[in-house]
Amino acid sequence: DTEVTQTPKHLVMGMTNKKSLKCEQHMGHRAMYWYKQKAKKPPELMFVYSYEKLSINESVPSRFSPECPNSSLLNLHLHALQPEDSALYLCASSQDGGQGGSPLHFGNGTRLTVT
Amino acid sequence: GENVEQHPSTLSVQEGDSAVIKCTYSDSASNYFPWYKQELGKRPQLIIDIRSNVGEKKDQRIAVTLNKTAKHFSLHITETQPEDSAVYFCAAYRFFFGNEKLTFGTGTRLTIIP
Repeated sequence: DTEVTQTPKHLVMGMTNKKSLKCEQHMGHRAMYWYKQKAKKPPELMFVYSYEKLSINESVPSRFSPECPNSSLLNLHLHALQPEDSALYLCASSQDGGQGGSPLHFGNGTRLTVT
Repeated sequence: GENVEQHPSTLSVQEGDSAVIKCTYSDSASNYFPWYKQELGKRPQLIIDIRSNVGEKKDQRIAVTLNKTAKHFSLHITETQPEDSAVYFCAAYRFFFGNEKLTFGTGTRLTIIP
């Protein structure tokens, strides 16, 4: 079973479309993350929410807009994307950030194709 | 910022042999080092981790060693099996000024030859 659930699994969108990726976890984790992963590359951090507040934005273009409605949900709103934004988008959660670090639990990802 | 180097980028071993993947990091403040396994088309999954106050940790066929002085850590897989074939990512974590940062290595594609 995957403890972090992402929808949709696959998404094809045009450059003028608006779409959203959704992520949900019910482990009581207080930190949630969006990562982007290109083929044969490591996950690349985009955003971090800690206790429902945006704590890190890794200089991501504004065409990506994160939202954390509550401690269990994380959304990524997409608008006016470029073909180079095609990638696997991974959501992750962790017990807590803080000084100790804690394991990331990844969802299965959304495979995004921008045409 | 932190820089994590991972070697080798590809590794092929005969089933039953051992595999070793090595990572070096640059930031001495990093204090948590997880390893993730990603099978083809699947999500990364934590397989083992180690904190900076420990030198070695073992979980069945998998072990991780950490040398803080040299700033390197390694993953050891013994008695390899076909299901060990995957991409392995090391990572280094630090916490600074209220923010956290996990930096991944570039990955090692491990192939187990039956």
